[in-house]
Amino acid sequence: EVQLVESGGDLVQPGGSLRLSCVASGFTFGEYWMTWVRQAPGKGLEWVANINQTGSETHYADSVKGRFTVSRDNAKNSLFLQMHSLRDEDTAMYYCATGSAGGGTWGQGTLVSVSS
Amino acid sequence: DIQMTQSPSSLSASVGDRVTITCRASQDIRNDLGWYQQKPGKAPKRLISTASRLQSWVPSRFSGSGSGTEFTLTISSLQTEDIATYYCQQHNSYPQTFGGGTKVEI
Repeated sequence: EVQLVESGGDLVQPGGSLRLSCVASGFTFGEYWMTWVRQAPGKGLEWVANINQTGSETHYADSVKGRFTVSRDNAKNSLFLQMHSLRDEDTAMYYCATGSAGGGTWGQGTLVSVSS
Repeated sequence: DIQMTQSPSSLSASVGDRVTITCRASQDIRNDLGWYQQKPGKAPKRLISTASRLQSWVPSRFSGSGSGTEFTLTISSLQTEDIATYYCQQHNSYPQTFGGGTKVEI
């Protein structure tokens, strides 16, 4: 069974940092682009970032560029999102998904809350 | 950035009704568009890729059409299990962008 499990979400103060993880199973992780998408409470979907199979190509939403970094460890079937300089507006459920546009399997999400 | 405008933002329909959701792109995105369904408390799932290609799990009452800047998602006969919020997403250029969503209620 193809599965993605996110973790690392937490309550953090504005200006703080957090690292999200997404562990994959049931498929050959290293063969897929991976994507992060977030959803603020009661709001719509926002594409955040994606990364190619080797990690050599990454893309970011304007709202997170320079603050967030997407990376992966294919040996550990893991995707990461390092988040710095967190703002109130980064509060959201963060999902990882397979595919360059997130069109495949999604995880259940991990909740990031930014508040003082 | 490409803006994706969905309409309506919400709709109420009856079981058996034909439902149409529109998504307009601020510039030509060819057919680089997907539709997603999100049920309350769940992660989204892609229904349609490349504007009109149904994913294997999707019932045939769903269809997608369009290219360029105007796209539609149609449910030919609304069922109770179709209650959800639907989003379009363009992946023609970065940053990828989603429409604002359409909440479908009965």
